[in-house]
Amino acid sequence: QQQVKQSPQSLIVQKGGIPIINCAYENTAFDYFPWYQQFPGKGPALLIAIRPDVSEKKEGRFTISFNKSAKQFSLHIMDSQPGDSATYFCAANGSYNTDKLIFGTGTRLQVFP
Amino acid sequence: SQTIHQWPATLVQPVGSPLSLECTVEGTSNPNLYWYRQAAGRGLQLLFYSVGIGQISSEVPQNLSASRPQDRQFILSSKKLLLSDSGFYLCAWSRRGETNTEAFFGQGTRLTVV
Repeated sequence: QQQVKQSPQSLIVQKGGIPIINCAYENTAFDYFPWYQQFPGKGPALLIAIRPDVSEKKEGRFTISFNKSAKQFSLHIMDSQPGDSATYFCAANGSYNTDKLIFGTGTRLQVFP
Repeated sequence: SQTIHQWPATLVQPVGSPLSLECTVEGTSNPNLYWYRQAAGRGLQLLFYSVGIGQISSEVPQNLSASRPQDRQFILSSKKLLLSDSGFYLCAWSRRGETNTEAFFGQGTRLTVV
């Protein structure tokens, strides 16, 4: 119940494409869902985050879609660029336990010119 | 501003040798502190987290231990390294008690056990 399941494990798109990464959770007490971006050899950094009171959040070319009833959320990258090539992690936690984020297994995205 | 320092950046150690990785945070107080391990294709595995000095929670049984001797210092240790301890180790911190808080990661340590 503490898991966050992420798919796909890897994704290859061409420049301008719209990669979509999906995550699902079981624990209905989760109420914070961030996405992290990690470049090779670096630590992950927060990219965008959403609370379950909204169904969508957009920041630049990055959009989170959230489906509370299905307990799923996804990251969409519009007009993807080679510089977006990185590993993306979804995560979740809840006000019942603010001490730790539960991370998905990660998606390695490659955007070719 | 807050910063997190993690060292060394890379480490090659023989099997059976001890390990000590150190992480320090500056610019904040009473942080939550975390050690993660990232193995190829396995995402971010939470190893330990701490909400205060001397308070350590272990997430998975393993050959490693953690200590928090000071408020902003977190140490990952092993008495005898195994080949399976190889991986990319990340230290992170977050503000205590906030649900929508960002986790800030260090630059990581690439550990290779040979």
